[in-house]
Amino acid sequence: EVQLVESGGGLVKPGGSLRLSCAASGFTFSSYNMNWVRQAPGKGLEWVSSITSSSSYIYYADSLKGRFTISRDNAKNSLYLQMNSLRAEDTAVYYCARALVFNAFDIWGQGTMVTVSS
Amino acid sequence: QSALTQPPSASGSPGQSVTISCTGTSSDVGGFNYVSWYQQHPGKAPKLMIYEVTKRPSGVPDRFSGSKSGNTASLTVSGLQAEDEADYYCSSYGGSNNFPFGTGTKVTVL
Repeated sequence: EVQLVESGGGLVKPGGSLRLSCAASGFTFSSYNMNWVRQAPGKGLEWVSSITSSSSYIYYADSLKGRFTISRDNAKNSLYLQMNSLRAEDTAVYYCARALVFNAFDIWGQGTMVTVSS
Repeated sequence: QSALTQPPSASGSPGQSVTISCTGTSSDVGGFNYVSWYQQHPGKAPKLMIYEVTKRPSGVPDRFSGSKSGNTASLTVSGLQAEDEADYYCSSYGGSNNFPFGTGTKVTVL
């Protein structure tokens, strides 16, 4: 079964850091570009970051201003998101998503909740 | 990197059709044929319904169709069914390697 499973979410204080992981299974992970998308409570979807299959190209939403770092380990079939200097507005469910082509995200994980609060 | 504009809500009776618009600019929707549409039920992950403006992934019913004219893309759901009640989001390539989503539309089946 093609599957993505996120982990690493939780409660963190403002200014803190968190590292999210996404474990892929059921497909050739190294052949696909991967993405992180987030959704604040009761709000819409927001694209966060993309990484190409071989990590050659990495892109971020302008709003992140260098606080987040996406990476992947194709040997471990895993995607990561290092989040630093967290703010209350970063509170959201974070999804990892596979790109079928370009911005067509065809496989999504179940999401992991990140809460930034003192 | 502004969000694309969608109507907050749309509705229709079972069997009817509903069309959702997604308005951007010539720098995103109008400039590229990379518009995707997602369906999201409460508490669930989004599901890809349409990509590259008109293409349907395997398993998506042909009741769902996409189109684009100028800076506005549209998703049409024909033959509305109860299970189509959900939030729908568009997405486009926005140039400069970013992928803005739309503001979202809640579809209600009356």
